[in-house]
Amino acid sequence: KAGVTQTPRYLIKTRGQQVTLSCSPISGHRSVSWYQQTPGQGLQFLFEYFSETQRNKGNFPGRFSGRQFSNSRSEMNVSTLELGDSALYLCASTDSPLANTGELFFGEGSRLTVL
Amino acid sequence: GENVEQHPSTLSVQEGDSAVIKCTYSDSASNYFPWYKQELGKRPQLIIDIRSNVGEKKDQRIAVTLNKTAKHFSLHITETQPEDSAVYFCAASNSGGSNYKLTFGKGTLLTVNP
Repeated sequence: KAGVTQTPRYLIKTRGQQVTLSCSPISGHRSVSWYQQTPGQGLQFLFEYFSETQRNKGNFPGRFSGRQFSNSRSEMNVSTLELGDSALYLCASTDSPLANTGELFFGEGSRLTVL
Repeated sequence: GENVEQHPSTLSVQEGDSAVIKCTYSDSASNYFPWYKQELGKRPQLIIDIRSNVGEKKDQRIAVTLNKTAKHFSLHITETQPEDSAVYFCAASNSGGSNYKLTFGKGTLLTVNP
C-alpha cells in the first residue's frame, strides 16, 4: 500500500498570499487529520475530516480551512499568510473510525516558509 | 480539553544508557496513550502505545508505563543506540469520546552519543 502523500513538499510564500496544501491518505482510510508542527510547540491539531465532514477543529484562526473530497483526499488552505504561519504541516490518515485510537499514519509534510 | 505536558524537552545520553521521557495529562477520561518517534527530516511514526486497562507494555528495548491515578505515563528506552536519536512525542486521547483527535506533548529531542 502506498503511504500518505503530501504535496507540495516545500513552498515559499510572502505575507498576505494564500496557500493550498494537498493530502492523499492511505487507500481505504477515511479519516484525515492535519497538524501544524513548529519548533518547541510540538504537533498542534488543526482539523479532522471523515467522509467529507469536518468533525473537529483546533484553536486556529478562521484563515485556516480545509475540506475532504469523496475519494478521501484532503486539502487545507491558509489565507492572508502571516510570518507565524511558517511551519511543517503534517497530514495523517487512519482507519480508526473515531481517529483517536489506533495508529495515525503521517505524511512527510509540507514545509511552508512565509517571507 | 485535554492538555499533555512532556518532560524533558531535550535529553542527551551515552550509548548503552537508559532514557526516560515523562508525560502528564489532564483529562481523567483519557484512556489511550501512544508514543511517536520522528527522526530528523522524517515523518512521525508510532513506536508503542498503551491503553488504560494495562499498567505497562514492553516491546524489545522500549517500554511504556501508565499511572492513571497520578495521570502520568512514561517511555523507557534501555540500551540506547545512536539510531534512537530522534524527537519523541507522547499523546493522549479518550478513545470512546467524540473529539476525533490526539493531543500531543511538545516533544523530547533525544540525542544518543556514541
